[in-house]
Amino acid sequence: GQQVMQIPQYQHVQEGEDFTTYCNSSTTLSNIQWYKQRPGGHPVFLIQLVKSGEVKKQKRLTFQFGEAKKNSSLHITATQTTDVGTYFCAGKKSAGGTSYGKLTFGQGTILTVHP
Amino acid sequence: GAGVSQTPSNKVTEKGKYVELRCDPISGHTALYWYRQSLGQGPEFLIYFQGTGAADDSGLPNDRFFAVRPEGSVSTLKIQRTERGDSAVYLCASSFPLDRGGTDTQYFGPGTRLTVL
Repeated sequence: GQQVMQIPQYQHVQEGEDFTTYCNSSTTLSNIQWYKQRPGGHPVFLIQLVKSGEVKKQKRLTFQFGEAKKNSSLHITATQTTDVGTYFCAGKKSAGGTSYGKLTFGQGTILTVHP
Repeated sequence: GAGVSQTPSNKVTEKGKYVELRCDPISGHTALYWYRQSLGQGPEFLIYFQGTGAADDSGLPNDRFFAVRPEGSVSTLKIQRTERGDSAVYLCASSFPLDRGGTDTQYFGPGTRLTVL
């Protein structure tokens, strides 16, 4: 079945340093979604990438979708303590004709930021 | 409503008991999803509904798990003869699909933490 691998599992940074998490799918994706989950919370939607090679920015966050639509990355510039949490990528498998369906989540990257 | 709601927020039960978990999706969202999240893992898909029907139940681990959505809005996840391994956070999400004019983004509820003793 479809697998989504995410690395690293943990990342500890000093406030102000940059952070990147990478996501790789075993199959081509129709789209990829990124979520942030704070400790004790639920996944909160950040962004969706649909097009091959797409790059989207949200303030200090930059999201990329690979040309082959099998990998993605999230980069945070100049981390802040409010960035703490687990970042998940979640891929939707390409399936002709359907626009909805299950997400396959990566294992997540736990980000801690030291002030 | 403003967001996806789930009840109860916490459920503690004994091994072998039956439990029901409820999800109230965002108003107007036709698609509804159930996921299960174990500690330190990403959410794992269980089942999703388009309207009243289960469009994909391939993630249900066995026949002790069942879900319904009789009127196309609220959904109930039912677990029979609970086992300790069922302990997890059960998450519900809803979306408005692309082919219905939506963005297909899945919005998650706060989850129900199930503990089987």
